[in-house]
Amino acid sequence: AQSVTQLGSHVSVSEGALVLLRCNYSSSVPPYLFWYVQYPNQGLQLLLKYTTGATLVKGINGFEAEFKKSETSFHLTKPSAHMSDAAEYFCAVKKVGAGNMLTFGGGTRLMVKP
Amino acid sequence: GAGVSQSPSNKVTEKGKDVELRCDPISGHTALYWYRQSLGQGLEFLIYFQGNSAPDKSGLPSDRFSAERTGGSVSTLTIQRTQQEDSAVYLCASSPGTGVAGELFFGEGSRLTVL
Repeated sequence: AQSVTQLGSHVSVSEGALVLLRCNYSSSVPPYLFWYVQYPNQGLQLLLKYTTGATLVKGINGFEAEFKKSETSFHLTKPSAHMSDAAEYFCAVKKVGAGNMLTFGGGTRLMVKP
Repeated sequence: GAGVSQSPSNKVTEKGKDVELRCDPISGHTALYWYRQSLGQGLEFLIYFQGNSAPDKSGLPSDRFSAERTGGSVSTLTIQRTQQEDSAVYLCASSPGTGVAGELFFGEGSRLTVL
């Protein structure tokens, strides 16, 4: 069975600082991994995804994530935080099989201080 | 429309009443998913449809919950005899298919408050 753990339900950074949001997965098969962002009172928007190929994945808004099989991790990073990055971020793994639905982590709320 | 549309955006109801939540997926998307987002519970999978069929209903919390999809398009999630613990945001997503690499496109959700 696939599962995802996000370390830290809340992360606070200063504007301009590095953003690092942690995600570890558990999967018995090669995983398909996703990061979604949710702004207040909105639905989820895809930031980036890893399926196969290059392990460093670039997404929208300057975010990127690196798939590390040896560490079973898919951490999300951004070199310099903007105020507009304040949102909730969800890591998810595809349940391979019928339906291929997403299993989400508990989410990390990112706060950006001026 | 261009995206997944959900209605109502907000619903306040009294305990014991029935509610219906509607999802209009992106045109042409064959797969449709319902999730529930509640405080402290994260995002829970409820049910998915491939076409009009629901092969996996394992996430429905109780028999008070049901869902249907007609014409391979609009889906309705029905909660009968609502309870306070049903208060949550119900999110719908659609996908062009159920391929493993496919992205899910989410609506803005229906916020349900049961008094």
